[in-house]
Amino acid sequence: QSALTQPPSVSAAPGQRVTISCSGSSSNIGNNYVSWYQQLPGTAPKLLISENNKRPSGIPDRFSGSKSGTSATLGITGLQTGDEADYYCGTWDNNLSAVVFGGGTKLTVL
Amino acid sequence: EVQLVESGGASVQPGGSLRLSCAASGFTFNIYSMNWVRQTPGKGLEWVAYIDPRSSAISYADSVKGRFTVSRENADNSLYLQMNSLRDDDTAVYYCARAAYASGPDNWGQGALVTVSS
Repeated sequence: QSALTQPPSVSAAPGQRVTISCSGSSSNIGNNYVSWYQQLPGTAPKLLISENNKRPSGIPDRFSGSKSGTSATLGITGLQTGDEADYYCGTWDNNLSAVVFGGGTKLTVL
Repeated sequence: EVQLVESGGASVQPGGSLRLSCAASGFTFNIYSMNWVRQTPGKGLEWVAYIDPRSSAISYADSVKGRFTVSRENADNSLYLQMNSLRDDDTAVYYCARAAYASGPDNWGQGALVTVSS
């Protein structure tokens, strides 16, 4: 069981907007930064969002992140078929002295 | 450009040992903490181990504690994971990942496949 909770799957039509939630606790999300990762089939995870809401160079502004209390949200607008992937949230847990991840959310673009 | 390249992945029998290496380039390795993260085929990400820049703070997931050892050689820009007493459930792709402050990793290698099977 993952320390962070994500929905197993989400889906939406091309061009639409989707959000993916990530719920944690005060020992992780509540007091640290949240990162979001995109993992395309057969590839390594790729950083999409750092420090709750910052996009690394090269990441389109269709991707956004936010955090409130012990939860975080990834937003994707203008969905494309190429966005079909697994998405993970991650952060540091102060009690565990460990990186913790969500279980992953599979995005299907219908 | 940050590059992390894992090597040493292989097929090994239960009870065996393996050492993974990660060659880092494109950044000042000796000021960054590093992680090992693994992923069982078809499953999610599981953090394995953490090491700070001077190897003074090290932590492990409970699932590998006492069997795996993380180390680094800053002079060679290298990270290592010594895996002993390997079990079937250690089968996974192992990623070397650069740590970001108070957050998840910010850069990942391409991964090394470790298969534990008789």
